[in-house]
Amino acid sequence: AQTVTQSQPEMSVQEAETVTLSCTYDTSESDYYLFWYKQPPSRQMILVIRQEAYKQQNATENRFSVNFQKAAKSFSLKISDSQLGDAAMYFCAYRSVMNRDDKIIFGKGTRLHILP
Amino acid sequence: EPEVTQTPSHQVTQMGQEVILRCVPISNHLYFYWYRQILGQKVEFLVSFYNNEISEKSEIFDDQFSVERPDGSNFTLKIRSTKLEDSAMYFCASRRDRVDTEAFFGQGTRLTVV
Repeated sequence: AQTVTQSQPEMSVQEAETVTLSCTYDTSESDYYLFWYKQPPSRQMILVIRQEAYKQQNATENRFSVNFQKAAKSFSLKISDSQLGDAAMYFCAYRSVMNRDDKIIFGKGTRLHILP
Repeated sequence: EPEVTQTPSHQVTQMGQEVILRCVPISNHLYFYWYRQILGQKVEFLVSFYNNEISEKSEIFDDQFSVERPDGSNFTLKIRSTKLEDSAMYFCASRRDRVDTEAFFGQGTRLTVV
């Protein structure tokens, strides 16, 4: 079974600085999707960025980028120029590409604090 | 922008009562899901639903739970005889088709069992 591990329960970063959230996962599959979701205090789950495992190029969405290391099964999220609105719980997540097994498996989350 | 809508936003119920959590997925989506998040813990998969039947369910999704798509637009989660440990945030999600990578989540229903 696939697992997702986030080893940092909480992190803090100064506003305008850069922070990296760590995530590792375990799977025997060769193709899959990886995601980072943001959960602000409103509790809604918002997709921040996604990565297809077959793509070597790291995904980027504005200030958010990932460092995808397939061999190491590592998928970290880098937030550049941190803003107060980035304060939230961040979940790393995995989904198989197999249609019959399309549930999303979440890590335990990292709570990110932005210091003004 | 289309979105997944969940009602109510907060439900308080007595232990042993039945509750129905409602979701309206995005209209052209075909795959539907329920997830649960107990306070302070990770989001857990409950069930997936496609073509009017359950595709997959987790160990959490026992006989106490059921899902239904009664009218082609709503997608409901019923919890019979609620227990204190059912208190959680329940998220509905939908996905357009099997090649689409992104699942869209609703804002969640906070269920409190007292």
